[in-house]
Amino acid sequence: QSALTQPASVSGSPGQSFTISCTGTSSDVGAYNYVSWYQQHPGKAPKLMIYEVTNRPSGVSNRFSGSKSGNTASLTISGLQAEDEADYYCSSFTSSSTVLFGGGTRLTVL
Amino acid sequence: EVQLVESGGDLVRPGGSLRLSCAASGFTFSSSGMSWVRQAPGKGLEWVSCISSGSSYIYYADSVKGRFTISRDNAKHSLFLQMNSLRAEDTAVYYCAREIYYDSSAYDYWGQGTLVSVSS
Repeated sequence: QSALTQPASVSGSPGQSFTISCTGTSSDVGAYNYVSWYQQHPGKAPKLMIYEVTNRPSGVSNRFSGSKSGNTASLTISGLQAEDEADYYCSSFTSSSTVLFGGGTRLTVL
Repeated sequence: EVQLVESGGDLVRPGGSLRLSCAASGFTFSSSGMSWVRQAPGKGLEWVSCISSGSSYIYYADSVKGRFTISRDNAKHSLFLQMNSLRAEDTAVYYCAREIYYDSSAYDYWGQGTLVSVSS
C-alpha cells in the first residue's frame, strides 16, 4: 500500500492559521473514522495530537483540530507558534486491518 | 508515569536476525494493544505490526510479513519483535507504541526508539 498523501512542506507566520491535508482512498481514510495526527520534533518520538479524526488527547492544545471529508483528512493549527515547527504525520486504519501513515509534512514557522 | 523502553537494536548483516524488546511500565500492559512503528533515517513513519492485548489479533505490514514476528509477555510487561531475513531497507529506528484504546489505531505513548542498521 502507498503512503497517504501529504504536502511535503508548508510554512507560515506566527499567529496564522492553516491546514495540512492527508489524502487516502475509500479503503482507509474514506472508510473509517480512525484518522490520527502526530507531531514529531527532530530527534524525538512522535506525539499524538489528534485521534478518531477530531479528538484531542489530554494535554494537547485546542489550537489543534482535525476534520475529514471523503477521502481527505485535515489538521488545522490556529494561532501558529514557534514551537509548532515540526514534522506532522497523519495515519489511518485500513481495510486490511493495518495502519497507514502519510509521508509527513514539515511545518516551518517563518 | 507511562514508560516504554526499547532495546536490542544493533548493526547486523543482510540476511541476519535480531530480536527487539520493549519494556513497559506505568500502565496496565495486559489491557493495551501495542505496535511497532519504524522510521528510516531522514524518512517518514512506517507502521510495522500490531498485537492485541491477549495476542489474539496480530497484523503485519506487507513489507515485513513472513519475516518479522510480533509477540508479547504480559506477565513480564514486555513486547517483542523477532526480525529475520533482514534487508538493507529494514534499517530504521524502531519504536514501540501503545494504543490509546483497543482498536483505535492511535498511539498515545511511544518509546525513545532503538536503531537497527542492516549493512554488510
